[in-house]
Amino acid sequence: EAGVTQFPSHSVIEKGQTVTLRCDPISGHDNLYWYRRVMGKEIKFLLHFVKESKQDESGMPNNRFLAERTGGTYSTLKVQPAELEDSGVYFCASSRGLFFDGYTFGSGTRLTVV
Amino acid sequence: EDQVTQSPEALRLQEGESSSLNCSYTVSGLRGLFWYRQDPGKGPEFLFTLYSAGEEKEKERLKATLTKKESFLHITAPKPEDSATYLCAVNAGGTSYGKLTFGQGTILTVHP
Repeated sequence: EAGVTQFPSHSVIEKGQTVTLRCDPISGHDNLYWYRRVMGKEIKFLLHFVKESKQDESGMPNNRFLAERTGGTYSTLKVQPAELEDSGVYFCASSRGLFFDGYTFGSGTRLTVV
Repeated sequence: EDQVTQSPEALRLQEGESSSLNCSYTVSGLRGLFWYRQDPGKGPEFLFTLYSAGEEKEKERLKATLTKKESFLHITAPKPEDSATYLCAVNAGGTSYGKLTFGQGTILTVHP
């Protein structure tokens, strides 16, 4: 079974630019989550999709962040315009049910805004 | 607000020296407590889910236990390959039924 795949693995952009992160979950996993870890802080929840619907987006920091999940398959997270404080590692995770077998995380995208 | 506190922040052990990591939590209605292992440059790797006080789970040299206020991850006779960051997370259910709240992690280093 292929794992959760995230693209790109690293991204360096200038303040004010736009960046789009992509996550391909494990096939058949209806639940998809985005988390991020900023320097020195704990991993924090951003949002949760069930298929193509946003179940919980309470962790999205502001309206510069837009997440989509096309057809209930892959997901994108767009940051527009990027700010310095958006730097961090963005993780995607997926699960078949609700965490009974744990979430499977991708390796993350390290975003650096300069 | 749900809170998770892990201690110690870092732990250095000699190979074979058993120890425990602590995870204290404050949550309204625990649905599950999770332990993950994270290696540098990788995402968290699932280890255990615990659902109720008194529950215990084991995997190789690791054993996780749960009380109403905290969880312990016991490492018996650790090896250098057990070196990693160990993360604890909780889920409170309710309106946030899919959300995990993480602690900052414990960085474990096992010396040969």
